[in-house]
Amino acid sequence: DVKVTQSSRYLVKRTGEKVFLECVQDMDHENMFWYRQDPGLGLRLIYFSYDVKMKEKGDIPEGYSVSREKKERFSLILESASTNQTSMYLCASSPPATVNYGYTFGSGTRLTVV
Amino acid sequence: AQRVTQPEKLLSVFKGAPVELKCNYSYSGSPELFWYVQYSRQRLQLLLRHISRESIKGFTADLNKGETSFHLKKPFAQEEDSAMYYCALAGFGNEKLTFGTGTRLTIIP
Repeated sequence: DVKVTQSSRYLVKRTGEKVFLECVQDMDHENMFWYRQDPGLGLRLIYFSYDVKMKEKGDIPEGYSVSREKKERFSLILESASTNQTSMYLCASSPPATVNYGYTFGSGTRLTVV
Repeated sequence: AQRVTQPEKLLSVFKGAPVELKCNYSYSGSPELFWYVQYSRQRLQLLLRHISRESIKGFTADLNKGETSFHLKKPFAQEEDSAMYYCALAGFGNEKLTFGTGTRLTIIP
């Protein structure tokens, strides 16, 4: 019954490494999103995509990039991981008109950068 | 700019007592508002949407445009309500959600 799958539940990476977080959805949703979740800060939008090969910056895009080559897959890339990117990363998807359906979230990837 | 404020980081309520989780927003147009819930070791999930005016698991929320609030209420708390709750806003015609900082609700048996 899993509809939004994040490839890793836990990751530990070294400072300076290039990190890929993968997200796949099987609901044929147009919209996909990457958030980071931090205690006391809630969820903050990093990037989102309305369609294949389309992307838009969210509120905190610095240090991140994304790729969406196929409709079902949305990848978050940390170009050079830093310790302040240690966080829980949540992927979500929605059909058009989010207002009617809300988001479906993945189970999250907890990334630790050492 | 749009903003969502949840003033309480932590809220403890006795079982059977009423629950109110506060949410205030800032948005110049007509907002679409949501409550999401995350139970322990589970993924974040939609609880309710203001547009549908529904009651889910006994919870309701009313949009008060005058007070720019969307508080979540339940008349009688149950132990299974213990979770992290996030209020979220989408601007009119906008697909992206802005979330509040969340309130951790603990129901005391």
